[in-house]
Amino acid sequence: QVQLQESGPGLVKPSETLSLTCAVSGFSIRTDYWWGWIRQPPGKGLEWIATVSHGGDTYYSMSLTSRVTTSIDTSRNQFSLNLTSVTAADTAVYYCARAGGNWKPYDSWGQGTLVTVSS
Amino acid sequence: SYELTQPPSVSVSPGQTASITCSGDKLGDKYASWYQQKPGQSPVLVIYQDSKRPSGIPERFSGSNSGNTATLTISAAQSMDEADYYCQAWASTTGYVFGTGTTVTVL
Repeated sequence: QVQLQESGPGLVKPSETLSLTCAVSGFSIRTDYWWGWIRQPPGKGLEWIATVSHGGDTYYSMSLTSRVTTSIDTSRNQFSLNLTSVTAADTAVYYCARAGGNWKPYDSWGQGTLVTVSS
Repeated sequence: SYELTQPPSVSVSPGQTASITCSGDKLGDKYASWYQQKPGQSPVLVIYQDSKRPSGIPERFSGSNSGNTATLTISAAQSMDEADYYCQAWASTTGYVFGTGTTVTVL
């Protein structure tokens, strides 16, 4: 059974870069699935951030595209997220998730990690 | 950009039926999915491709999608169904889009 686990700093200073990694276990990241990042500010709804394919194709939310990058590391069975120039508005629980294919829904999610942007 | 709108809250009595709507421009031309999120937990996919249930999701969850509205129906609602529910679709100009979310209360 697939498991996803986010990791990274829980506190990031304003203007710095938020970096997260999602380790995938019980499933090969090389298979024909897509991998995504979604965030949820405290008390608010879900917001899609980015998606990366098993082959490394990337897609980004229009509202974040100038600040976000995602990549996949098949040798480590993990994928990563970088969000630059963060502000307090980027404070959120960040989830990584698996999609069954190109633009398919997310069928497995990590537990989420809270990232707070504060000095 | 593409937007999906849901009612903020829906209340239902135990054993009754709850319907949650999700509105978007020509949503019926796209596939709609639904996620359940309980407090402090990650979202769980309960409906995909408008009306299909993933393995392990109870039959009381069903979905439909036509015109500008997708609907998630919870039949014979139980207290364990209390949660936030989000619809989701994909738009070529926007990528993944999530709805605004609906809190379902069973009382």
